[in-house]
This record gives sequence, C-alpha cells and structure tokens, in this order.
Amino acid sequence: EDQVTQSPEALRLQEGESSSLNCSYTVSGLRGLFWYRQDPGKGPEFLFTLYSAGEEKEKERLKATLTKKESFLHITAPKPEDSATYLCAVLGGSEKLVFGKGTKLTVNP
Amino acid sequence: SAVISQKPSRDICQRGTSLTIQCQVDSQVTMMFWYRQQPGQSLTLIATANQGSEATYESGFVIDKFPISRPNLTFSTLTVSNMSPEDSSIYLCSARTGGTDTQYFGPGTRLTVL
Repeated sequence: EDQVTQSPEALRLQEGESSSLNCSYTVSGLRGLFWYRQDPGKGPEFLFTLYSAGEEKEKERLKATLTKKESFLHITAPKPEDSATYLCAVLGGSEKLVFGKGTKLTVNP
Repeated sequence: SAVISQKPSRDICQRGTSLTIQCQVDSQVTMMFWYRQQPGQSLTLIATANQGSEATYESGFVIDKFPISRPNLTFSTLTVSNMSPEDSSIYLCSARTGGTDTQYFGPGTRLTVL
C-alpha cells in the first residue's frame, strides 16, 4: 500500500529563516511525487512534480528535491505570504494520488 | 495545465436534502476525481469519475449517497444525497492531465448541513 508521511506537522519560522519540510514515501512504481500549497478554505494549488531521484525543481523561494525514499521542500528566506499548508502526494501503480497529512507553515514578520 | 471551476462555492443545507456540485475544466482531461476534506484533515478520495460509465468509488463511499456523473471530458457533477451534519465538509473536484500525470484541483465547495 502506498504511504506518505510528512514532517513536521507544523512549523513556525521568522521571516527570512530558511528551513525544510520532509515527505517520506513508499510507493509501488513511482510515476510522480507532487507538492501542493493549500491556503485555508481553498483547493490545493499545484507547485511541483518530481519524477525521479536526483531531480530538483525551483519556484521563487521554494525548491523541491527527490530521493528514492523522500522529498524535501526547501524554503529560502520565507515571507509571511508563504504561510500555508504544504501537501505532498505520490502517484504510483494504483492510479490514485496518495496524500500526506501536510505541514502547516507559519511565517511570522 | 488545467483550470477548474466549481459551483456552488459554498452552501448551507437542511438535513435530509440533496446538493449537486458542478465541476467544469477548461480543457479535455483524462481523469476526474472527487475528494472530501474535513476541517484540519488531508484529502480523502471519494471516487473517480469515468466518462461514459459508472464512477469508481473508494471504500466507505457508495453510489446511492454520492451519485456522480461525467457526461463528457470536461464536466462532472457530484451529488451529496440525504444529507446529515456529518456531511459538512469541503468537496473538491480534481482533474489529471495526460502526459505529465499532474493533478489539478478546483477551489472547493464548502458544505454546511444543519
């Protein structure tokens, strides 16, 4: 059974304080690992897809990396507007996206 | 990419009634899905909406309670039937594009059942 575990559950940072979010996964036949951002009361917003170990993708202050067992979402010099819940999900042979429980990020000014 | 819209964005309903949520995608997509997200929780897949055939439901969800239609490659509806307060949740439509396997989400429908 495909599984995704995200840590920490919640993270508080000061503005400008860089950190990383972790996503550990087990999946049969990885087709892709996905990162989403979700603001309260809204649907998940797609950020990145990673397909194979060693791959990296960047967007503004965010960089996602992938190994065979985990993915990291690195946040460099975060701003208050980066506050959100970040969701990790994997797609494998089951054809169904399996989500972690998310990391709630709060960036204080 | 795919842009997904949902109607209504929110509703307050009485116990025992039904609500139909509409989902429109701006391009033809291979797969469409319906999810439920309860407060503070992650997403739970209700069913995969299959074009031209019956939806495929996940364990714990049944067609009589959550009938789904998908008449074409860009549109789907989810009905929440005979509602109870336990059905209060955010319902999300999602679509997967071919090629990249990327899955996009609509803005959600916030349902409150009194």
